[in-house]
Amino acid sequence: QQQVKQSPQSLIVQKGGISIINCAYENTAFDYFPWYQQFPGKGPALLIAIRPDVSEKKEGRFTISFNKSAKQFSLHIMDSQPGDSATYFCAARLSSGTYKYIFGTGTRLKVLA
Amino acid sequence: AAGVIQSPRHLIKEKRETATLKCYPIPRHDTVYWYQQGPGQDPQFLISFYEKMQSDKGSIPDRFSAQQFSDYHSELNMSSLELGDSALYFCASSLRTSGTIRNEQFFGPGTRLTVL
Repeated sequence: QQQVKQSPQSLIVQKGGISIINCAYENTAFDYFPWYQQFPGKGPALLIAIRPDVSEKKEGRFTISFNKSAKQFSLHIMDSQPGDSATYFCAARLSSGTYKYIFGTGTRLKVLA
Repeated sequence: AAGVIQSPRHLIKEKRETATLKCYPIPRHDTVYWYQQGPGQDPQFLISFYEKMQSDKGSIPDRFSAQQFSDYHSELNMSSLELGDSALYFCASSLRTSGTIRNEQFFGPGTRLTVL
């Protein structure tokens, strides 16, 4: 029930295209949903995050869409650039006295020049 | 801005040896998390500390232990190392503010542990 399912596992997009990564969860106790970007050999970096009482959040070229009833959320990268090529992880936070983050399995994005 | 510092960045050990990984959280952050990330895998939560007390425990093997010190830095101690322990180990820190829904965690650059 604490699992976060992420798809696709890998994604290839042309430069200027839209990259879409999806995540789904079961536990309605999750209260915060961050996305992380990770380059090879580096630590995950917080990209953008959303709370479940918001349906969409946009920061620059990155947008999170959140569907609370469907228990799904997605990351949209507009005008994808080769520099966006990285692994993206969605995560969900469980707050029950302590904070615990459950990560999705990751999506390896490659943006072709 | 100061980030999470981890040391060493790379570590090579033999099977059955011990290893100690260190994490220095962002100043004023009170919570530290440890994660293990195998090749092509997502970060797996190991353990977390809040105000120097263990706050949550994940899939941390009994061979591993960790603690958070008075200056908030944390150490992950790994004994009887196995080949399968080879991974990237990340530390993350956050500020747990009462009543906040934020509590973003910031990751360090990781320690790459190779067990031969």
